[in-house]
Amino acid sequence: GEQVEQLPSILRVQEGSSASINCTYENSASNYFPWYKQEPGENPKLIIDIRSNMERKQTQGLIVLLDKKAKRFSLHITDTQPGDSAMYFCAASDPYGGSGNKLIFGIGTLLSVKP
Amino acid sequence: ETAVFQTPNYHVTQVGNEVSFNCKQTLGHDTMYWYKQDSKKLLKIMFSYNNKQLIVNETVPRRFSPQSSDKAHLNLRIKSVEPEDSAVYLCASRDWGNQDTQYFGPGTRLLVL
Repeated sequence: GEQVEQLPSILRVQEGSSASINCTYENSASNYFPWYKQEPGENPKLIIDIRSNMERKQTQGLIVLLDKKAKRFSLHITDTQPGDSAMYFCAASDPYGGSGNKLIFGIGTLLSVKP
Repeated sequence: ETAVFQTPNYHVTQVGNEVSFNCKQTLGHDTMYWYKQDSKKLLKIMFSYNNKQLIVNETVPRRFSPQSSDKAHLNLRIKSVEPEDSAVYLCASRDWGNQDTQYFGPGTRLLVL
């Protein structure tokens, strides 16, 4: 089946530094790329997303880049804080039968921000 | 409050038993999903319904069966659970026409002994 590769699986950074997570996808028809943050015992929550008509999107210390040619997208967290420590999932839409999108998730990145 | 609600939060059962999980969304969405998140946190889609119609049915064992009474409800029944069914089952919903964003419920943690 379709795959989304996500790296790294574990990321440890110092408070105040930046953190980057990279994902690649297979289906060139994918047109929607959300990022979810999941804290322990909680459900995944959308933090930022980007559609295929954009190359860059930024909101509240988060930057998402999309390179459609390379089928690659990435999340950059600037000025990380301990509260950013969580699991982060990237996903790519996978149009199914022309009637709707399902999301294919990466394996997740466990981000740990040290004070 | 508008959100995605799931019951129960936790369920512990024994191999061979039947379990049912409920999901309701009050977001006015018309598409709902079931995902399975295993112990390694891998998120895999299982089923997707649009307006009570099954539109995505991934390769899951036949003991899993989704049920939808209306577009706001999507339940999941597991007949004769197996140890490998132990996981968190996450329900999500999406507004088909307007948005791609999927909103997740809090999940149901299943432990099969």
